[in-house]
Amino acid sequence: QVQLVESGGGGVQPGRSLRLSCAASGFTFSSYGMHWVRQAPGKGLEWVAVISYDGSNKYYADSVKGRFTISRDKSKNTLYLQMNSLRAEDTAVYYCAKVDLSGEFGILYGMDVWGQGTTVTVSS
Amino acid sequence: QSVLTQPPSASGTPGQKVTISCSGSSSNIGSNYVYWYQQLPGTAPKLLIYRNNQRPSGVPDRFSGSKSGTSASLAISGLRSEDEADYYCAAWDDSLSGVVFGGGTKLTVL
Repeated sequence: QVQLVESGGGGVQPGRSLRLSCAASGFTFSSYGMHWVRQAPGKGLEWVAVISYDGSNKYYADSVKGRFTISRDKSKNTLYLQMNSLRAEDTAVYYCAKVDLSGEFGILYGMDVWGQGTTVTVSS
Repeated sequence: QSVLTQPPSASGTPGQKVTISCSGSSSNIGSNYVYWYQQLPGTAPKLLIYRNNQRPSGVPDRFSGSKSGTSASLAISGLRSEDEADYYCAAWDDSLSGVVFGGGTKLTVL
């Protein structure tokens, strides 16, 4: 079955960096775009970034643009989120999610499968 | 302030029908598919409705979605205690070049 497993979360000081990973299995990873979505404590869902199936297109929320980088490694079936210059407001559970539709236009569609999430805490 | 507008709360008694609305604009709901997610306390979001009105396998037919113009709605009929959760709508936004979510609706089964 389709499975997404995030890792890499933890506690970090403001201004430092962290890299999240999302290991994918049960589907053809290289055919689907992938999203990162986060949820601050007690708050709603906030979209972070998306990468197309082939890595050629990437889009970011304004709140993370210039600080976060989404990438993927098809040989490892893994999605990444490199987070630099972290701020207290980046504290959240980070979820990776697979897009609903394969191929070129998939990133215009929503997410169907979500991982269990990994927690990032930014605090001094 | 979320781009998509949902009521913060909704409630109903077991067996009742509840509808949750999601209001957007021409750049998101008006031109792209709407998705609905259910999030039980302490768990990851789960897909409930995709592409406006499609139910994934395993989702009971008590859940249904619809879309008209720049608004969408999620209907839950035959309300059950296990439906108590947070519900989110989402859609791609052409102007923002990203996914936008509603603020979420907390459903209480009285």
